[in-house]
Amino acid sequence: QVQLVESGGGVVQPGRSLRLSCAASGFIFSTYAMHWVRQAPGKGLEWVALISYDGTNKYYADSVKGRFTISRDNSQNTVYLLMNSLRAEDTALYYCARTVPFDYWGQGTLVTVSS
Amino acid sequence: EIVLTQSPGTLSLSPGERATLSCRASQSLSSTYLGWYQQKPGQAPRLLIYGASSRATGIPDRFSGSGSGTDFTLTISRLEPEDFAVYYCQQYGGSPYTFGQGTKLEIK
Repeated sequence: QVQLVESGGGVVQPGRSLRLSCAASGFIFSTYAMHWVRQAPGKGLEWVALISYDGTNKYYADSVKGRFTISRDNSQNTVYLLMNSLRAEDTALYYCARTVPFDYWGQGTLVTVSS
Repeated sequence: EIVLTQSPGTLSLSPGERATLSCRASQSLSSTYLGWYQQKPGQAPRLLIYGASSRATGIPDRFSGSGSGTDFTLTISRLEPEDFAVYYCQQYGGSPYTFGQGTKLEIK
């Protein structure tokens, strides 16, 4: 069965960096685009970033462009989100999701940006 | 960027009633790229409808989607207790893949 397991969240100070990981299993990872979506506490869903199946194309929400970098390692069935220059408004539960429409989601990893 | 506006913000209904949720896009979009998700507290969202009207795997037939252009609707024909949740529409025709702000369906 398809599984997506996020990790790497935690408490970080403003301006610092964090790298999230999403380990995939149960499907041919290298043939699917992958996304990151976040949800601030008590708020709605916000799409963050997309990476194509082979890693050649990447797209970002304006709110994270220039600060966040999405990448993938198809040999490890893992997608990453490197988050630099973190701000308080980046505090959220970060989900990885498979392709569009988002047919499978992980359980999320919580990122808290606070001094 | 396509902005999706969902209405109402909160819908209070009783089990057995019919629910109608609306999603309006700021510009016309292909129905191929409109989806609906359900999210319960403490859980990840679940895909209900894709392509505006196709049910995802395992979704009961009391859920149906319709619409075209800028106006889309999610209908739950007869509410079950497990249907009370937050519902989001999303367009995935291209970046940015925007979501509506959500409709909370609560028990009356």
